[in-house]
This record gives sequence, structure tokens and C-alpha cells, in this order.
Amino acid sequence: KAGVTQTPRYLIKTRGQQVTLSCSPISGHRSVSWYQQTPGQGLQFLFEYFSETQRNKGNFPGRFSGRQFSNSRSEMNVSTLELGDSALYLCASSLPPTGGDYNEQFFGPGTRLTVL
Amino acid sequence: QKEVEQDPGPLSVPEGAIVSLNCTYSNSAFQYFMWYRQYSRKGPELLMYTYSSGNKEDGRFTAQVDKSSKYISLFIRDSQPSDSATYLCAMSEVTGAQKLVFGQGTRLTINP
Repeated sequence: KAGVTQTPRYLIKTRGQQVTLSCSPISGHRSVSWYQQTPGQGLQFLFEYFSETQRNKGNFPGRFSGRQFSNSRSEMNVSTLELGDSALYLCASSLPPTGGDYNEQFFGPGTRLTVL
Repeated sequence: QKEVEQDPGPLSVPEGAIVSLNCTYSNSAFQYFMWYRQYSRKGPELLMYTYSSGNKEDGRFTAQVDKSSKYISLFIRDSQPSDSATYLCAMSEVTGAQKLVFGQGTRLTINP
């Protein structure tokens, strides 16, 4: 079973530009979450999508947005890039949420974004 | 103050030692408690998760949760060089919710 894939793996942008990152979840997984990982703040939740709807959102400015397509693939977009947006962006997928046991999130390898 | 506190280390121990990793938290609504392992240039992978208080054992790994003290631990017995990685604790409020709150992560090195 293929894992979570993220593209591109590395990206270099300059301040003020915008960027779009892509995530393909594990087949059958319909929930996709995004996280930002930096040395200073660690891993922080950005947002979660299920059935093309945003279910949860973290404390990030509106420059950070995302969407999910009907095939469960997801993209996140960061507009007007700032130096502080340099980070590893991780995508995680899981089975549809249920009222029962915990659904493990499977993480992709991440996209490393560098803003110059 | 962060919701989840974890000593970032680094922590260096000899092969075969027992390793103890810990996190404290402030949000009493957390119900699920996880430990992830992250190797360099990889995404985190789930090691273990525990619901509410109690212990859980999986091979050389034991997870403990003490909700009364808001304190969780991961013990690694007979540590191996391949256990060298960053260990992250994570917590979740509601069953099925996918919003995880992570600790800073502890960088662990096991020396042969």
C-alpha cells in the first residue's frame, strides 16, 4: 500500500511570492491534515479536511489556506510569503472519522519550503 | 505557555540503557495520547497511543499516562542505535478528531 505522497519535496521561494503544496493521501483515506514543523515552534496544526470540507483550523493567519478535492487529494496555499514561513510542511491522512477508536494519522515525508 | 511541554534534549545514552521520555500538558480535555518517532528527513510515524490513563506495552516500548498529574511517559528498554531519532509526544481532545497538539520533540541518540 503506497504511503502519503507530497510534492514537491523541496521548494525555494522569495518573500512576497505564493506557493502551493500538494498531498496525495493513502488510498481509502478521506481525512487529510496539514502541519507546519519549525525548529522553534515544533509541529503545529494548520487545518484538517474531510469530504472537501475544512473541519478544523489552527492558529495561523489567513495567508494559509487549503482545499480538498473529490478524490481526497489536498493542496495548501501560502500567499505573500514571509521569511518565517520557512518550514517543513507535513501532510497526514487517516480513515474517515468515527465515534469509536482513534484513527491513526499517517504522515508523508513533507515539503521543505525555504523563503529567501 | 505551551499546551504540551517536552524537553527537547538532546539526550544521549549508551546502547542497552533504559530511556525515559516525558511530556507534561495543561489541557485536561486531552483524551488520546500518542508517541511518534521521526527520523531525519522523514515524516513522524506512530509508535503507540493510549486512551485516557494507564499503561500500554509494545515490545521494548512502554507508554504511561497519568491524567491526574497531566504527565505522560515513554520508556524504551534495551535501547538500540536504530532507536536514535526524535521522539514527539502528541495529544488529541476528542475521539476521531484529527487535530494533534505536539510537544517540541526530544532528540535521542543511542551510542553503540
